Amino acid sequence: DARVTQTPRHKVTEMGQEVTMRCQPILGHNTVFWYRQTMMQGLELLAYFRNRAPLDDSGMPKDRFSAEMPDATLATLKIQPSEPRDSAVYFCASGLLLGVEQFFGPGTRLTVL
Amino acid sequence: QKEVEQNSGPLSVPEGAIASLNCTYSDRGSQSFFWYRQYSGKSPELIMFIYSNGDKEDGRFTAQLNKASQYVSLLIRDSQPSDSATYLCAVMGRNAGGTSYGKLTFGQGTILTVHP
Repeated sequence: DARVTQTPRHKVTEMGQEVTMRCQPILGHNTVFWYRQTMMQGLELLAYFRNRAPLDDSGMPKDRFSAEMPDATLATLKIQPSEPRDSAVYFCASGLLLGVEQFFGPGTRLTVL
Repeated sequence: QKEVEQNSGPLSVPEGAIASLNCTYSDRGSQSFFWYRQYSGKSPELIMFIYSNGDKEDGRFTAQLNKASQYVSLLIRDSQPSDSATYLCAVMGRNAGGTSYGKLTFGQGTILTVHP
């Protein structure tokens, strides 16, 4: 049963700390997306990778957020330093370049105190 | 104006009724349109997609697209309590193979409650 996995599922941290979230896309998928979901803003795209290359990270606050794909099986989203306004659920999704569906992982619920 | 707007909801319908969810989008060149369902505390899952003007049916679900009016809708017939969820409309950018291809812009979602 192919699924996108994300770790950790929950993270509580204090303002100013570094947060790293990890995602394992479905094997064979060549596009990876990072989304953030809040009640106020809904589901927003933060970054988009195609064949491990960053294609669009215009949705990310560049000064504190960074996204990478060290290899085809791992995508990371890092926040440094974290702020209370970063509290949200962060979803990773993967898909095929010419495919229809994006498959979402279970999400990481981040709380920054 | 937001790129993708959905009827604000929440929407409450009785079991067995038709639920109608609406979405408008601002980019006239958008090519593909999606409806995702998200249960509380869970991740979004795709239930329908549509590319061409007209209707597309899949079981109890019908997606309708009118590109001239920049309007997409989802009808759920014979609504069941298990359909209670947030429904997200999403629009994909226009350039096949370009940097916007595959990139989805989501609406705020409409909360649907189906009561017995």
